[in-house]
Amino acid sequence: GEDVEQSLFLSVREGDSSVINCTYTDSSSTYLYWYKQEPGAGLQLLTYIFSNMDMKQDQRLTVLLNKKDKHLSLRIADTQTGDSAIYFCAERGSGNTPLVFGKGTRLSVIA
Amino acid sequence: NAGVTQTPKFQVLKTGQSMTLQCAQDMNHNSMYWYRQDPGMGLRLIYYSASEGTTDKGEVPNGYNVSRLNKREFSLRLESAAPSQTSVYFCASSEQGTGGYTFGSGTRLTVV
Repeated sequence: GEDVEQSLFLSVREGDSSVINCTYTDSSSTYLYWYKQEPGAGLQLLTYIFSNMDMKQDQRLTVLLNKKDKHLSLRIADTQTGDSAIYFCAERGSGNTPLVFGKGTRLSVIA
Repeated sequence: NAGVTQTPKFQVLKTGQSMTLQCAQDMNHNSMYWYRQDPGMGLRLIYYSASEGTTDKGEVPNGYNVSRLNKREFSLRLESAAPSQTSVYFCASSEQGTGGYTFGSGTRLTVV
């Protein structure tokens, strides 16, 4: 089946930029998503990008998509302690197939 | 603005007991999903319902059954709970178009 891979951990200092990377295998992906999960909570949709775009910016968040290499990244500018969470990458294939999620990257922000 | 509501939030079962996890959404979404989350395993799809009246198996359906009761409600049943089913269970629903999921806050289930 299709697969989504992410590194498991990332540690950054408060005020620095964070970059979380993701690779996927499905060449027919239509949308790609980033979700955030805070401790004890469900997943919250942060942002998504359509597969024919290569960049999307939303306030402190920048999503970059390299469709040729099947690589997605999420950049968080001016990272704050409140950004500490697990970030999940997910992709949707063609049709109405369920999203495929990565295992999540735990972001720790050091004050 | 309830979104996706899951009940109960916490549950402890003895091995062999049965229970049903409830999920309801008020966003008129067609599709609903059940995932389990285990440390180091990410989210794994148990079952999903693309539309009212249909259900399909996901990656880890063994030991579970589902019912799409109506457009709003999608329940997950454990007929005979096992310790391997100790997990956090999430329900989600999705809209047409971009298909982004809205998740519930989860049910933490412990089977002893």
